[in-house]
Amino acid sequence: DGGITQSPKYLFRKEGQNVTLSCEQNLNHDAMYWYRQDPGQGLRLIYYSQIVNDFQKGDIAEGYSVSREKKESFPLTVTSAQKNPTAFYLCASSITPGGEQYFGPGTRLTVT
Amino acid sequence: QKEVEQDPGPLSVPEGAIVSLNCTYSNSAFQYFMWYRQYSRKGPELLMYTYSSGNKEDGRFTAQVDKSSKYISLFIRDSQPSDSATYLCAMPSRGFDNAGNMLTFGGGTRLMVKP
Repeated sequence: DGGITQSPKYLFRKEGQNVTLSCEQNLNHDAMYWYRQDPGQGLRLIYYSQIVNDFQKGDIAEGYSVSREKKESFPLTVTSAQKNPTAFYLCASSITPGGEQYFGPGTRLTVT
Repeated sequence: QKEVEQDPGPLSVPEGAIVSLNCTYSNSAFQYFMWYRQYSRKGPELLMYTYSSGNKEDGRFTAQVDKSSKYISLFIRDSQPSDSATYLCAMPSRGFDNAGNMLTFGGGTRLMVKP
């Protein structure tokens, strides 16, 4: 069964703590993406990676970090520097840059 | 001005109505268009895509592109309560398969179909 998995579905953290969100895909896609979605708003791109060991900042990268050591995995770390981290985080992948993106189920992060 | 604009809604219709969802875009380089459906608290799922001007039909859904007006539409016939979701349009800025190419998403239109 091919697809994108994100874990956990819900995550709660105290302010000042770093937290890592998992994203795994078995679609053999080259490109992977992280988006943030706030209530009633569209998708905002945090980071993207078009190939293993390479990634680029998106529109709102401040306070976030990523790695791409394996084709299948693109974890996102929300650092304590992110001023307003509570949001719904979505991971996506595509065969090629600019192609159709397929999304995971999302992780809802709450920081108090 | 945003590159891709959608009316956020909510758009409320009775069951069985024909729904029209629209996006306008400013960049004439956009050549390939996608529609995603997102249920509440879920990830978006790809609904339809189309390359060119004209219509593309898939069951109750029809995607329409008017490149001269930079306007795309998604029509839903015989709408059902299960169609209640947010619909996002998306388009890649450089066509296919170019390094650095990204999808630009509209903000989404929330649709509510009442029984």
